[in-house]
Amino acid sequence: DAGVTQSPTHLIKTRGQQVTLRCSPKSGHDTVSWYQQALGQGPQFIFQYYEEEERQRGNFPDRFSGHQFPNYSSELNVNALLLGDSALYLCASSLPGGNYGYTFGSGTRLTVV
Amino acid sequence: GQNIDQPTEMTATEGAIVQINCTYQTSGFNGLFWYQQHAGEAPTFLSYNVLDGLEEKGRFSSFLSRSKGYSYLLLKELQMKDSASYLCALNTDKLIFGTGTRLQVFP
Repeated sequence: DAGVTQSPTHLIKTRGQQVTLRCSPKSGHDTVSWYQQALGQGPQFIFQYYEEEERQRGNFPDRFSGHQFPNYSSELNVNALLLGDSALYLCASSLPGGNYGYTFGSGTRLTVV
Repeated sequence: GQNIDQPTEMTATEGAIVQINCTYQTSGFNGLFWYQQHAGEAPTFLSYNVLDGLEEKGRFSSFLSRSKGYSYLLLKELQMKDSASYLCALNTDKLIFGTGTRLQVFP
């Protein structure tokens, strides 16, 4: 039973560039949430996708956008990268409501220089 | 909004018992998760409390009191591999995390 797969694992980008991160959810899950985790902090909720639509959004600027595909996989896009966007980006899949648990991917480590 | 507080760091000795506390303020939530996270890795599920009371799972137990806005994770018979960060998270159809507690286990 495949878990959550994220790609790439590591990425280095220059300030001002754009980046796309990808996530394939656990088999049977249809909801995908994205989190940003700065060093030494807990993960911060970015947004959540269900039925190819953004269901909920955290306190992140419009530079952060996403998409969910018919196969439930998802992308996170960040435009006009800032140094402060350097973080571990985690994808978590679940069923709606999350009461059956959230499964996390290993994350993408983004470094902005 | 929601606010979650956990101690930043704790230390303990191998074989001992440690309790990690989590207090929160929120208008409503489905349940409370505890996750373990080793440095640079994904959080892994430890427990989920929906109702008040104690949930025991091997060396790990978790407690929830909704009326007091309080939860704790109890780790028994500590092992070196338990050195990690422990994250408390409210489930509000998304996860709201605390900053995490970094636990160091010494021999």
